[in-house]
Amino acid sequence: GESVGLHLPTLSVQEGDNSIINCAYSNSASDYFIWYKQESGKGPQFIIDIRSNMDKRQGQRVTVLLNKTVKHLSLQIAATQPGDSAVYFCAESRGAGTALIFGKGTTLSVSS
Amino acid sequence: GAVVSQHPSWVICKSGTSVKIECRSLDFQATTMFWYRQFPKQSLMLMATSNEGSKATYEQGVEKDKFLINHASLTLSTLTVTSAHPEDSSFYICSAGTGDKNIQYFGAGTRLSVL
Repeated sequence: GESVGLHLPTLSVQEGDNSIINCAYSNSASDYFIWYKQESGKGPQFIIDIRSNMDKRQGQRVTVLLNKTVKHLSLQIAATQPGDSAVYFCAESRGAGTALIFGKGTTLSVSS
Repeated sequence: GAVVSQHPSWVICKSGTSVKIECRSLDFQATTMFWYRQFPKQSLMLMATSNEGSKATYEQGVEKDKFLINHASLTLSTLTVTSAHPEDSSFYICSAGTGDKNIQYFGAGTRLSVL
């Protein structure tokens, strides 16, 4: 079935490195994408979003890239810190007011 | 940002009892709220879409008589797990949207353990 998936279940980096988390989606009708961060035992926390009419969006230390040609989404975290350690999910939306469809998640581990 | 409050954060109950979980949007009105379920080391799976003043829409495979959803106001949705069994033990998370784009803000989740 159609779903949003992630390439790697785990990613380990050193503090200060840049991290790149990838996500592939299959539904070309999706028009809005969000990255969430989830710490153990907590609900997902909004990080950054991007609409399908954009290919890049930057936030504080984070950048989301969207490649609609290959249906690929990535989250780049600059100068990764131990506090960034969490599970990261991409999610796609197929319209306002509709539920989000989540990918499988990537666990980011940052070592000092 | 918008705040979604979920209560309780953790509940332990005996098999056969019912448990109610509340989800509140604290500083905005949410005409639509969503309920998700998450098993350990897995992603969030949508259970149902809760619409204020109308019946919830359940995903395929989710028993509506077991997972009762009520969305009585624009700031409150409740999920009741009826006659809970150990296999219902999971992490339940609600979310609400502000209507702008489709950003959804999530509650902190409820850890349900059924003995």
